[in-house]
Amino acid sequence: EAGVVQSPRYKIIEKKQPVAFWCNPISGHNTLYWYRQNLGQGPELLIRYENEEAVDDSQLPKDRFSAERLKGVDSTLKIQPAELGDSAVYLCASSLGGTGAFEAFFGQGTRLTVV
Amino acid sequence: KNEVEQSPQNLTAQEGEFITINCSYSVGISALHWLQQHPGGGIVSLFMLSSGKKKHGRLIATINIQEKHSSLHITASHPRDSAVYICAVVKYGNKLVFGAGTILRVKS
Repeated sequence: EAGVVQSPRYKIIEKKQPVAFWCNPISGHNTLYWYRQNLGQGPELLIRYENEEAVDDSQLPKDRFSAERLKGVDSTLKIQPAELGDSAVYLCASSLGGTGAFEAFFGQGTRLTVV
Repeated sequence: KNEVEQSPQNLTAQEGEFITINCSYSVGISALHWLQQHPGGGIVSLFMLSSGKKKHGRLIATINIQEKHSSLHITASHPRDSAVYICAVVKYGNKLVFGAGTILRVKS
């Protein structure tokens, strides 16, 4: 069974440009997460979806970040415009349900470099 | 103060050594995850536990809910165990909070 698939793996853009990341979770997983991981730190939650509903987006910088999970399957995370400080690895994860009871499975991540 | 603290931050061991990585947390949790992250790679879940002890191959994870502490042990360490090991706790409300990770290097 395929795991969580993310694309692209790497992205280099100039500041002020837009960028989008895509995530395909494990089939049947209702819960989807987007995390940002800065170098030398643990991941930080940006947004959590239960099916197509964003149930926790308190950490998402809404002035420039947006996300969607149409039909409760694939998800995209967008940054517009990107800033130098957005350089990080963006991780997508999915689980059958809440991570209190279910394992979370992570994608390979998208490494974003803003120059 | 971070809600999840890991120690040590960096660890270098010789092949064959017994390794312990510690995780302390300051919030109420419903579960705790130990994760492994290889350079350039994604994150792999090693354990999810809410009490007691779990064992998988050479890996053992324990948790003491009263003391708010968990440990990950690696027996007979091998260079392929070199990775970042991350502790993540599940706060009530299903929010995962991650530690900063422990960078492990096992030398042959």
